[in-house]
Amino acid sequence: QVQLVQSGADVKKPGASVNVSCKASGYTFTTYNMHWVRQAPGQGLEWMGIINATVGSTKYVQKFQGRVTMTRDTSTSTVYMELSGLKSDDTAVYYCARGPPDGGVDYWGQGTLVTVSS
Amino acid sequence: SYELTQPSSVSVSPGQTARITCSGDVLAKKYSRWFQQKPGQAPLLVIYKDTERPSGIPERFSGSSSGTTVTLTISGAQVEDEADYYCYSAADNNVVFGGGTKLTVL
Repeated sequence: QVQLVQSGADVKKPGASVNVSCKASGYTFTTYNMHWVRQAPGQGLEWMGIINATVGSTKYVQKFQGRVTMTRDTSTSTVYMELSGLKSDDTAVYYCARGPPDGGVDYWGQGTLVTVSS
Repeated sequence: SYELTQPSSVSVSPGQTARITCSGDVLAKKYSRWFQQKPGQAPLLVIYKDTERPSGIPERFSGSSSGTTVTLTISGAQVEDEADYYCYSAADNNVVFGGGTKLTVL
């Protein structure tokens, strides 16, 4: 069955960077894209961007341009999301979500809580 | 940019029909999806391609589309259906979520 297993919770100081991983299993990794979505406490879902697992091309929401980097390792079926220059309002649960070729999203990882605090 | 608009809350009694709407110009051209999110859990896909239901999702969940509005209907809502529901659409690798609707069943 499809599984997306994310790295554990992390606490960072303002200005630092965080790297969240998402290991996929149960399907052909390079057949699907991977999205990253975040959810601040008590708030809705915010799309951050997408990585094409086949060629590694990316598209980021303008709001995160220059601060976010999405990469993938096809040998381990893992995608990574690095967010730099952390601020307190980056405190959120970060999700990876599988993206079928039709542009949708289906399976989600369990989420990774990133807390930014001095 | 694309925007999807949902009501912030909907409330029904158990056994009643709950309807949650989602409006946006992109919905006239692109499929929608609906996700259910319970507290502390990741979102779960309940409807895709406007009207399709993934395996394992109860038949009481259905979706419909008309022009720029899509609707998630829960026929005979159960207490366990109480959750936040988000609509979603995508165009040209741009993704947008609705603001979410809190469904209360009591």
